[in-house]
Amino acid sequence: DTEVTQTPKHLVMGMTNKKSLKCEQHMGHRAMYWYKQKAKKPPELMFVYSYEKLSINESVPSRFSPECPNSSLLNLHLHALQPEDSALYLCASSRGPGGSETQYFGPGTRLLVL
Amino acid sequence: GEDVEQSLFLSVREGDSSVINCTYTDSSSTYLYWYKQEPGAGLQLLTYIFSNMDMKQDQRLTVLLNKKDKHLSLRIADTQTGDSAIYFCAENYGQNFVFGPGTRLSVLP
Repeated sequence: DTEVTQTPKHLVMGMTNKKSLKCEQHMGHRAMYWYKQKAKKPPELMFVYSYEKLSINESVPSRFSPECPNSSLLNLHLHALQPEDSALYLCASSRGPGGSETQYFGPGTRLLVL
Repeated sequence: GEDVEQSLFLSVREGDSSVINCTYTDSSSTYLYWYKQEPGAGLQLLTYIFSNMDMKQDQRLTVLLNKKDKHLSLRIADTQTGDSAIYFCAENYGQNFVFGPGTRLSVLP
């Protein structure tokens, strides 16, 4: 099983709302990632969690707040987003945090900020 | 810095072979990857190649790696309409994956 699941599939929110994106994997992977993908662009790394600890934050604004409650779950809490934050948010996981580890991606959450 | 380049578009006729090319910059990359993304969907890992290999074949897919020129290619034999998608090559760079801009493959009937 190489499945990474993400919920919700689509999300529409206003700039004053608070919402959360969820990601789950049951492959025993110890590294999990959040990427942001704008239309017709490649994914851009936002955060890396390694063994449930935040190891990389690619200068992401504080209106995005990641959380890793356990080794299978990764959340992304959203608050006071801007319309330019509208994008496809992809979660990925890998066996370990090393750069040589293959990343498996979820289907993404398509976010629209009004 | 790291940079991965790909041509942005490729059109082929159904049944022909497709060749998608990629150049990368980090010679220390251990693995190089090909991902497929269909419209509105996430990234699907197609295949990957270890950096000490020259070629890897998996059914209709053939990956060629020229480490000296830092050139990676993906050949899809007998291309079908279901192969229409964006194809990203990626190299590992520390804990990060660096993706190319993606090649949009259009398969014409």
